[in-house]
Amino acid sequence: EAGVAQSPRYKIIEKRQSVAFWCNPISGHATLYWYQQILGQGPKLLIQFQNNGVVDDSQLPKDRFSAERLKGVDSTLKIQPAKLEDSAVYLCASSSLAGETQYFGPGTRLLVL
Amino acid sequence: GESVGLHLPTLSVQEGDNSIINCAYSNSASDYFIWYKQESGKGPQFIIDIRSNMDKRQGQRVTVLLNKTVKHLSLQIAATQPGDSAVYFCAEKGTGGGNKLTFGTGTQLKVEL
Repeated sequence: EAGVAQSPRYKIIEKRQSVAFWCNPISGHATLYWYQQILGQGPKLLIQFQNNGVVDDSQLPKDRFSAERLKGVDSTLKIQPAKLEDSAVYLCASSSLAGETQYFGPGTRLLVL
Repeated sequence: GESVGLHLPTLSVQEGDNSIINCAYSNSASDYFIWYKQESGKGPQFIIDIRSNMDKRQGQRVTVLLNKTVKHLSLQIAATQPGDSAVYFCAEKGTGGGNKLTFGTGTQLKVEL
């Protein structure tokens, strides 16, 4: 079974630029999560989708971050404009509708200069 | 607010010895706990989980113990191998809707030959 796919794996941008990350969850998983992981810390949930609806985006900085999952399968997370403090690993995870276990992708490492 | 923390940021063990990684949680209402392993440059990998109605659960070379009285979780790794070197995170899920996981900051396990 293929795991969670993410791209790109690495991205370097200058502050005030925009960037987008893509995630394709495990086939059949209805729930998709985006996490931010700052170096030396545990992942922090940014947004959770169930199918194409948002379940929780309470920790998403909505003035600069946006995410969508239009067809209920793959998802895109965007940052516009980026700040220095956005440098982190952005992890995507998915779980089945009835399951609690979340399976993570390899992450996208973002460096904002 | 709710938090999950780890007592030891770094743990060094000899190959073949048993490892014990500890985690304290503060939300007594949490009903599900997971241990993840994260190797450098990779996303978190599921190791083992436990529900709040259990005290102990065993997997292959790993055991998770839950002490709800003192809100403490531990991960025991038997016969630690070099491939076990990684950062280990515990995560908890509250009883609110949404399947949201709260992660601790992680423990770095180093296996010495």
